[in-house]
Amino acid sequence: GAGVSQSPSNKVTEKGKDVELRCDPISGHTALYWYRQSLGQGLEFLIYFQGNSAPDKSGLPSDRFSAERTGGSVSTLTIQRTQQEDSAVYLCASSPTGQETQYFGPGTRLLVL
Amino acid sequence: GENVEQHPSTLSVQEGDSAVIKCTYSDSASNYFPWYKQELGKRPQLIIDIRSNVGEKKDQRIAVTLNKTAKHFSLHITETQPEDSAVYFCAADTGRRALTFGSGTRLQVQP
Repeated sequence: GAGVSQSPSNKVTEKGKDVELRCDPISGHTALYWYRQSLGQGLEFLIYFQGNSAPDKSGLPSDRFSAERTGGSVSTLTIQRTQQEDSAVYLCASSPTGQETQYFGPGTRLLVL
Repeated sequence: GENVEQHPSTLSVQEGDSAVIKCTYSDSASNYFPWYKQELGKRPQLIIDIRSNVGEKKDQRIAVTLNKTAKHFSLHITETQPEDSAVYFCAADTGRRALTFGSGTRLQVQP
């Protein structure tokens, strides 16, 4: 079946602009995660959605970052007033119930000029 | 919250040798420990995982061991091949939130 998909695959934006990144999880997966990976670095947790529960936003680095998940499926990560330090690969993952294997999408490579 | 430390940061071995990567975790409630392989420019992919009720798990040339008392777990790759070259990440999951990842190990297998 289809895996996790993300769009766009690459995004170049100017400092100060807002960006939206999209994640389509595997159908039926209730858990969805966003991570950030800077060049040559590990994966930094951003936000976690599980079913209809309130999301765990504890990893969001600032109030410029927000995410929503509509209808328990597609998720959008929004970064407002982008800064150069926001440049990274943003990875989305999903898992069936939240306590099993996470399947990663291909990521969105964000470059803020 | 959970903290995962991973060593070494880089590892170079000769083809055919074994490679061992070690991780420690801080939260004794962690009960799921996956390992991911990430090739350059690609997404992380699960290669093996272990749960806290098991001490060791093997899958062909890959094995993972878990010591709950010491709160550490290790990845063992035997008979390494050039295609094993990648960055490997360990992670720990308490089941209450997302995975906490180690900082990664860049494995280079020299032919």
